[in-house]
Amino acid sequence: DGGITQSPKYLFRKEGQNVTLSCEQNLNHDAMYWYRQDPGQGLRLIYYSQIVNDFQKGDIAEGYSVSREKKESFPLTVTSAQKNPTAFYLCASIGTGLAKNIQYFGAGTRLSVL
Amino acid sequence: QKEVEQNSGPLSVPEGAIASLNCTYSDRGSQSFFWYRQYSGKSPELIMFIYSNGDKEDGRFTAQLNKASQYVSLLIRDSQPSDSATYLCAVRYGQNFVFGPGTRLSVLP
Repeated sequence: DGGITQSPKYLFRKEGQNVTLSCEQNLNHDAMYWYRQDPGQGLRLIYYSQIVNDFQKGDIAEGYSVSREKKESFPLTVTSAQKNPTAFYLCASIGTGLAKNIQYFGAGTRLSVL
Repeated sequence: QKEVEQNSGPLSVPEGAIASLNCTYSDRGSQSFFWYRQYSGKSPELIMFIYSNGDKEDGRFTAQLNKASQYVSLLIRDSQPSDSATYLCAVRYGQNFVFGPGTRLSVLP
């Protein structure tokens, strides 16, 4: 089945620790996105990438880092500089051709601080 | 700063009624407009999108766009308890999407 796979589903971070959230897609999509969602709020853009080896900061990039070494993979690292990381993290990609307006989402990773 | 605003609700309607959800956006350069449904603890799922002024219908859902007023709405006819969720409005600017905070809808049996 084609889709976007995020792992883990739940993640706990200790103070001062970096953690990495995985996002893999087998849809052959070029553009991929990371969003953060806090309770009762909409999605805020952290980073996006339109092509391999290139990515751009979104509105709330501070304390986060990404890489795009392969088309299928767009991992997000939450660094120790992010002082309030507790949130629901969503990875997405945009379709191509007839589906070029459709943004597909993974199931999300819920990050909490120990 | 591109902004998308929605009434956070909750909006409560009885089963079988029409639910009306509204969204306004700040930037006239917006080209495409999206409605997503998000159940608690789940990721958003696309209901429909619209990019031309007027109405677009898909089953029980109708999206309405008025670019002059910078306003987009979603009507849900014959509302069902399974429609109870948060509805997110999103506006596309080039390759980026800006999301509103969402409106929580509760359909009462």
